[in-house]
Amino acid sequence: QQPVQSPQAVILREGEDAVINCSSSKALYSVHWYRQKHGEAPVFLMILLKGGEQKGHEKISASFNEKKQQSSLYLTASQLSYSGTYFCGTDTTGGGADGLTFGKGTHLIIQP
Amino acid sequence: GAGVSQSPRYKVAKRGQDVALRCDPISGHVSLFWYQQALGQGPEFLTYFQNEAQLDKSGLPSDRFFAERPEGSVSTLKIQRTQQEDSAVYLCASSFLARGEQYFGPGTRLTVT
Repeated sequence: QQPVQSPQAVILREGEDAVINCSSSKALYSVHWYRQKHGEAPVFLMILLKGGEQKGHEKISASFNEKKQQSSLYLTASQLSYSGTYFCGTDTTGGGADGLTFGKGTHLIIQP
Repeated sequence: GAGVSQSPRYKVAKRGQDVALRCDPISGHVSLFWYQQALGQGPEFLTYFQNEAQLDKSGLPSDRFFAERPEGSVSTLKIQRTQQEDSAVYLCASSFLARGEQYFGPGTRLTVT
């Protein structure tokens, strides 16, 4: 089942902070975050694994609450280059498809 | 190093034609995934390979869709008798570990007329 992302869209001024949330109805092995600009491939940002391990960009942080099956992506001091659509992809435990299940995305617009 | 590459980048097919989409993963990545992305939506999983073995094809929408990775590197997604609803961007991703971070190619935009 598809994870739910919120908000659907957000408009910020350069330098402001943003939080994007991702919630799943299934137990999660990991959560992956990607940013996609129009007409381009999704770019890997962060992976958060069950048990606390995470790997990603230095300037982007995220949290993963395994019990609540939720993850949040924190974008601080946003830059114009942060604009795009952010997707969370979930990898559920217990088998099933081995690919990621993506949310519908959060559109982020950074204005100067 | 080189990233994931896909070809062609754009494909226009007439309804009923067969198409073949190619994916070159990052060298050394054993896992390869195909996704379909409709306009304004997130990618949807189609199928997964570990080396040459297709371990999951549960996301393929119909038996007109077929994927292969015969030597464990390059993969081809084939769509037979294309329909208008097949119009989408087809993304390929590769990963060093089965459940590790995935790196996406630029996609093939398929338009069926």
